[in-house]
Parts: sequence; C-alpha cells; structure tokens
Amino acid sequence: GDSVTQMEGPVTLSEEAFLTINCTYTATGYPSLFWYVQYPGEGLQLLLKATKADDKGSNKGFEATYRKETTSFHLEKGSVQVSDSAVYFCALTGRRALTFGSGTRLQVQP
Amino acid sequence: EAGVVQSPRYKIIEKKQPVAFWCNPISGHNTLYWYRQNLGQGPELLIRYENEEAVDDSQLPKDRFSAERLKGVDSTLKIQPAELGDSAVYLCASSARQGLTLNTGELFFGEGSRLTVL
Repeated sequence: GDSVTQMEGPVTLSEEAFLTINCTYTATGYPSLFWYVQYPGEGLQLLLKATKADDKGSNKGFEATYRKETTSFHLEKGSVQVSDSAVYFCALTGRRALTFGSGTRLQVQP
Repeated sequence: EAGVVQSPRYKIIEKKQPVAFWCNPISGHNTLYWYRQNLGQGPELLIRYENEEAVDDSQLPKDRFSAERLKGVDSTLKIQPAELGDSAVYLCASSARQGLTLNTGELFFGEGSRLTVL
C-alpha cells in the first residue's frame, strides 16, 4: 500500500540555519505530494504541493521538489526563523485519501 | 470565513465510558473526513463523507465507533465503549470536493479533539 517515511525528530536548529527534512514515499501510480505544517495550538494546514515529477512546490521560503527517480520530496528552507517551529508532515494522495507520514518536529532556537 | 470547528478540544474519560466528538466543516464543503492521530504519528483516515453518505469507512472500527452526518453538514463521531488504546487526537477535515482534493491536497483541518482514556 501507499506509505510515507519521514526523518525522525526533533530537529533543533539555530535561527538562520539551513533546513532539510527528508521524505520518501511508496505509492502505485503517480501521486501528488504535499507538505503540511502544524503550528502549536493550531490545526494542520497545507504548506506546499507538487503534482508531477520534477515539479517544485514553494511557499513561505520553503521548497520541495518531486523526485520520481528517488521517490523523494525533501523539504528545504535556506534560513529558518523561530516562527517556523512546528511539526511538518509529508503526505501523498493515496487511493482513498491523503496518506501522511509520522511528522517531524522542528525547533528553532534564537 | 470560519474554519473547521471541532468540540470538545479535550476530553478525559474512564475506559468503557462513551464519548462523542462534533465537527462543523467549512460552509459549502461537501467532503468531510475524520482522522485519528496517535501520539508521534501522522493522521490516519477513519471515515470519509460525501455530503451525507459515508463513502469510505473501511478503517472505522465498527464494533465501537460510529459516525453520522445526517444533513450533510456537521458530523458526530462516537466511541462506545472507549478503550485505553483509543487515546488520541481526533481530527476533522473538510474539502470542496474529493476529486479535486486528491489533486490539490487542500484539506482544511480543525484543531482536533484530544481524547485521554484512563
């Protein structure tokens, strides 16, 4: 079945550091890929998406490229801020609904 | 515009007691989802509604869980009786249309209802 694997957290960085959160997937067909973010005390919200191979999704300084050859969709940001502290979920369009990874907690220290 | 509203935010009960969660989706959203999120894990789908019809409930433990969306708007998820393993966050989400959602990934989530079963 469809599945998403994310790197375990927490990831702790200093402000302005470079961020990478790894995500790989297993799926039949050609799923769309997403990153969702959950800020403290808030609901999950869509951060960015890519619907086909080699597409790059971007939002709020975050980027991720759909790599079909490596079945990956790693999240990157060049300079993180304290306000980026949150839990990040990689997801794909499964046969039934969105299938989520286990989430990666990011903590950014000033 | 109001987002997805869930209640209660927190609920603590003893095992074998019943519990119910309520969700009001974004106005006009036909598709409603209930997900369960265990600690340290991602959300897992329990049931999906298209209007008032449950079109996918294959992951809903039907011996103790039930859900309804009688008028195709708000929805209730019930657990009776609750077990220790039911402790989790129950998330409600909505979207305009399932077919479109699977391409855009734009589910709108509520803040969740955190259940603790003692």
